[in-house]
Amino acid sequence: AQSVTQLDSHVSVSEGTPVLLRCNYSSSYSPSLFWYVQHPNKGLQLLLKYTSAATLVKGINGFEAEFKKSETSFHLTKPSAHMSDAAEYFCVVSDRSGYSTLTFGKGTMLLVSP
Amino acid sequence: EAGVTQSPTHLIKTRGQQVTLRCSPISGHTSVYWYQQALGLGLQFLLWYDEGEERNRGNFPPRFSGRQFPNYSSELNVNALELEDSALYLCASSLRALQETQYFGPGTRLLVL
Repeated sequence: AQSVTQLDSHVSVSEGTPVLLRCNYSSSYSPSLFWYVQHPNKGLQLLLKYTSAATLVKGINGFEAEFKKSETSFHLTKPSAHMSDAAEYFCVVSDRSGYSTLTFGKGTMLLVSP
Repeated sequence: EAGVTQSPTHLIKTRGQQVTLRCSPISGHTSVYWYQQALGLGLQFLLWYDEGEERNRGNFPPRFSGRQFPNYSSELNVNALELEDSALYLCASSLRALQETQYFGPGTRLLVL
C-alpha cells in the first residue's frame, strides 16, 4: 500500500520569498514521486519527478524537490515566489507495482501576496 | 505537440441520467487514465486503459465504465447519475503501460442537479 501526506493545506508567502511545500510518503516498494500543479479551472501540469536517479530533482519554473529516504519526504521548494505560482500543488506517489496507479496527496494551496 | 484533450469542458445533467465524457491522448501514447476530482475528496483513480483493454479499476461502482478505441482515444460513461458524481473528471495519458509519467488534460466539469 502507498500513501501521501501533504502537511499543509494552505501556504501563504510574499512575492520574492522562498516557497516550501511539504510532502511525506509511504510505499511498500521503491517509489517514484511526482509534483503536479493545478491552476484554477485547469488540468494538472507535471512540475517534476523522482525515479531513483539523483535525489535532488529540478523541475520547471524554478521548482526543485529533494528525495530523502530516511525521512520519507519529498518537499518542494522554490527560492523566490512569483505571483503566477499561486495554484494548488499535489504530491504524488507511484509504487511501480505494475498497476500504473498514482496516489495523490490532498493538495496544498499556495497563496502569493504582492 | 498537442496535449491531452477532453470534451466537453462543462456538462450539466440531472440525477438518473447518463453521461459520456471523451478523451484524446497525446499522439503516440497508448495508456489512458481517468480520475475524479470531487470537492473535499481529492483526486481519485477511476480507470486505466491500455491497448484497448481495461487494466485496472479504482474503488468505484460498476455504473462507471469506459472503453478505449483503436486510435487510443477513450470514453468514460457514467450511468444513473447521482448528485455526488458532480466533479471534475480528468483524463491522463502515458507513453505506454507501466510508464509512470502521466500527462493530464484540462478536465470535464460535471454538475448533477
